[in-house]
Amino acid sequence: EIVLTQSPGTLSLSPGERATLSCRASQSVTSNYLAWYQQKPGQAPRFLIYDASSRAAGIPDRFSGSGSGTDFTLTISRLEPEDFAVYYCQQYGSSPYTFGQGTKLEIK
Amino acid sequence: QVQLVQSGAEVKKPGASVKVSCKASGYTFASYYMHWVRQAPGQGLEWMGTINPSGGSTTYAQKFQGRVTMTRDTSTSTVYMELSSLRSEDTAVYYCARVLTTAVAALGFWGQGTLVIVSS
Repeated sequence: EIVLTQSPGTLSLSPGERATLSCRASQSVTSNYLAWYQQKPGQAPRFLIYDASSRAAGIPDRFSGSGSGTDFTLTISRLEPEDFAVYYCQQYGSSPYTFGQGTKLEIK
Repeated sequence: QVQLVQSGAEVKKPGASVKVSCKASGYTFASYYMHWVRQAPGQGLEWMGTINPSGGSTTYAQKFQGRVTMTRDTSTSTVYMELSSLRSEDTAVYYCARVLTTAVAALGFWGQGTLVIVSS
């Protein structure tokens, strides 16, 4: 089973700043099949990024994904107030399709 | 547009079973794998397994093997997740989620979630 470790656990930033979230895998993710999701309290996760770097439909271009192998990054270039939430990475290259434990992005 | 509508909240006693439904619309039901993900209160997302609505084949996370059963009804475009021998640790919101495309297994579409409370 691939274990995904996200860091930091909590990230405190101000609107307009740049956010960099990390997701590290315990072994190489097949074909870089890694996704990112955003979740706000009381809501279902929102799909952001697939195949490590492809943005889902309707996702603003301030969200970008990068990385390969075992190290992946979600970058939010200029934080908007609605971006403060919990972010999860997930690998879907090999079963079980594991999630990271999440990074909480909070307003500083 | 793709819609996944789940059944309502459930309260169950320890040892009982729960069956959650997820009705799909807006696309060809049999063409896209469906997954189930759960989230305990204040915790992260946990992948439970997946079903191929076309043939009904399933893959379960080892943690749930023997306790979970995923099925589908193609006549109503509905998938089901049944979890047996419930314990308090199974209290969670259960989500169904459809893969983005036939070639991309990321979870592109999510149901609204079903809260299952296990309590005596």
